[in-house]
Amino acid sequence: GAVVSQHPSWVICKSGTSVKIECRSLDFQATTMFWYRQFPKQSLMLMATSNEGSKATYEQGVEKDKFLINHASLTLSTLTVTSAHPEDSSFYICSADQGENYGYTFGSGTRLTVV
Amino acid sequence: AQSVTQPDIHITVSEGASLELRCNYSYGATPYLFWYVQSPGQGLQLLLKYFSGDTLVQGIKGFEAEFKRSQSSFNLRKPSVHWSDAAEYFCAVGVGSEYGNKLVFGAGTILRVKS
Repeated sequence: GAVVSQHPSWVICKSGTSVKIECRSLDFQATTMFWYRQFPKQSLMLMATSNEGSKATYEQGVEKDKFLINHASLTLSTLTVTSAHPEDSSFYICSADQGENYGYTFGSGTRLTVV
Repeated sequence: AQSVTQPDIHITVSEGASLELRCNYSYGATPYLFWYVQSPGQGLQLLLKYFSGDTLVQGIKGFEAEFKRSQSSFNLRKPSVHWSDAAEYFCAVGVGSEYGNKLVFGAGTILRVKS
């Protein structure tokens, strides 16, 4: 079946530094990938839609300059949290569109802790 | 605006007992509906989805869900719960936009299974 690899699975960084999270579709090409943020005991909130070769589409309220998304190939999208602060600590999950109607496969998530 | 409501934050059932997780949606058009399961610290796995046709949908792991348009509901059921079913369950509605299709999630229901 379709597999999406998300790396790293967890990361601890110092306040003010930047962190990059990778999302790879291993056995299919994904023109579109999605980035979600999940707060403890809460639902997934869509942050942005990443389209290969074009700019990402951000949801209302999400800072584009803080959460940089790059989708340079059909199998890789990256989310960079710039100048991270403790309030950015969260669980970040990506999903990739297999091309079927709502055929989304999710990565296993990245736990970001900013200290 | 599209929304998904999962009224129960936590549910505890005994192993072997039946299970029903509630989901109500608000969407103007015919909805695409999904149930996902998330184990702690993991991504999401699709249990089942409804696009059209038979309103009773069979999924993986013995789960099923019934779409009831008159009640705007898509409740998830399982006749006999196993301890391994303990996880968090998310209902979602698929929403189309000019940027593509995306998922709007409910807040989730945490299922605890007691032996």
